[in-house]
Amino acid sequence: QVQLVESGGGLVKPGGSLRLSCAASGFTFSDYSMSWIRQAPGKGLEWLSYISSTGGTMFYGASVKGRFTISRDNAKNSLFLQMNSLRTEDTAVYYCATSLDWLLPFDYWGQGTLVTVSS
Amino acid sequence: DIHMTQSPSSLSASVGDRVTITCRASQSISSYLNWYQQKPGMAPKFLIHTASTLQSGVPSRFSGGGFGTDFTLTISSLQPEDSATYYCQQSYSNPVTFGGGTKVEI
Repeated sequence: QVQLVESGGGLVKPGGSLRLSCAASGFTFSDYSMSWIRQAPGKGLEWLSYISSTGGTMFYGASVKGRFTISRDNAKNSLFLQMNSLRTEDTAVYYCATSLDWLLPFDYWGQGTLVTVSS
Repeated sequence: DIHMTQSPSSLSASVGDRVTITCRASQSISSYLNWYQQKPGMAPKFLIHTASTLQSGVPSRFSGGGFGTDFTLTISSLQPEDSATYYCQQSYSNPVTFGGGTKVEI
């Protein structure tokens, strides 16, 4: 069955950096596009970034463009999110999610990893 | 960006009740509207795509409808396991955006 497991979250100071990972299994990772979506405590869902199945196309939301970088390693069935210049408002649970292509639904989600940005 | 507005933000209903959640887009999104269910402490689960097509395995008591700017998610006979927050999401244009959520309590 499809499994997505995020890791790399934790406590970081404002201005700091963190790298999130998402390990995929149970499906052909290289056939799927991937996205990162976050949820601030008690809040709704915010899409952050998308990467195509080959890694050739990437999109970013306005709130993270220029600070976050999405990447993937199809040989290792892994997705990454490099987060720089972190702000307190970046505090959230970060989910990775699959989609067959851009502008298609997010059909599978990981369990999320918590990032806390605080001094 | 397309803004998605859900109403109500929360509701309380009884087992067996018919429940309808509304989602409104700030501009026409054709039928590019998806619904997700999120239970406390868990990841969202994909329920419905293109406004009305149920994802495999989703109980038939769930249904979706609408086109353009106005959409609905209906639970025909509310069950205890349906207690969750429901989110709509437009996949018409970049950036994809979510509604603020509707919390359904039993």
